[in-house]
Amino acid sequence: GAGVSQSPSNKVTEKGKDVELRCDPISGHTALYWYRQSLGQGLEFLIYFQGNSAPDKSGLPSDRFSAERTGGSVSTLTIQRTQQEDSAVYLCASSKQGANEQFFGPGTRLTVL
Amino acid sequence: KQEVTQIPAALSVPEGENLVLNCSFTDSAIYNLQWFRQDPGKGLTSLLLIQSSQREQTSGRLNASLDKSSGRSTLYIAASQPGDSATYLCAVDNQGGKLIFGQGTELSVKP
Repeated sequence: GAGVSQSPSNKVTEKGKDVELRCDPISGHTALYWYRQSLGQGLEFLIYFQGNSAPDKSGLPSDRFSAERTGGSVSTLTIQRTQQEDSAVYLCASSKQGANEQFFGPGTRLTVL
Repeated sequence: KQEVTQIPAALSVPEGENLVLNCSFTDSAIYNLQWFRQDPGKGLTSLLLIQSSQREQTSGRLNASLDKSSGRSTLYIAASQPGDSATYLCAVDNQGGKLIFGQGTELSVKP
C-alpha cells in the first residue's frame, strides 16, 4: 500500500514569510508525528497526534510553529514568520497507534533565505 | 532526560564483513527501540522494532538486540554489501510515542 507522503518535497521561502507543510499518513494509522532534521541538532521531535486526543506539542520550538490534523488523517505543519534557523528537513511519520513502529515520509526540505 | 548515543559516528568496511553498530540510552524505562536507515536526501526506512519485553529481532541479514538494564542495543549486519551503505539511526520511545534519536552511524561498505 501507499506509504506516508509529504508535500512539497522542497520549499524555498524568504525570511518572514509563512509556510505550510503537508503530510498524508498511511491509511488507517491513528498516530501522526512531526520531526525536524537539521545539521546541528540531528533529528528532533516536534508534535504528536493520537486519534482524537489533544496533541503533544512539547517539541515545538516556538509559538511560530503550529500543526493541525483534520479528520484524523491529513496534517499540516505551519511555520509563521520564518527565520533562517528554521531551515531543515521536516519529516512526518505515522503508526497504527502510539508506541508502535513508525513509518516515515520522504520529508520536506525547507530553506529560508 | 533521555539521551541516545551511537558509536561509531562513521564506519568503513570491505564488502562481505560482518559488523556491529552500537546504540546506548540513559533511561532504561523505554516502550521500544527502533532502528532505521537513511539514504542521502531521503526519509527514514524502518529496519527493526524491538519492544521493551523483547531481547532481539531479526530480519534477513539484520539482527538487533536490546539490553534494557544496561541501556544498550546493537544492530548486527551479516555479510555486508555496498547497498548497505547508508546512515543508521537508533531511536527510543519512552513516552508512548515520540522518538528520541541518536546522531547516527554513517556506514560505507566498499566493493
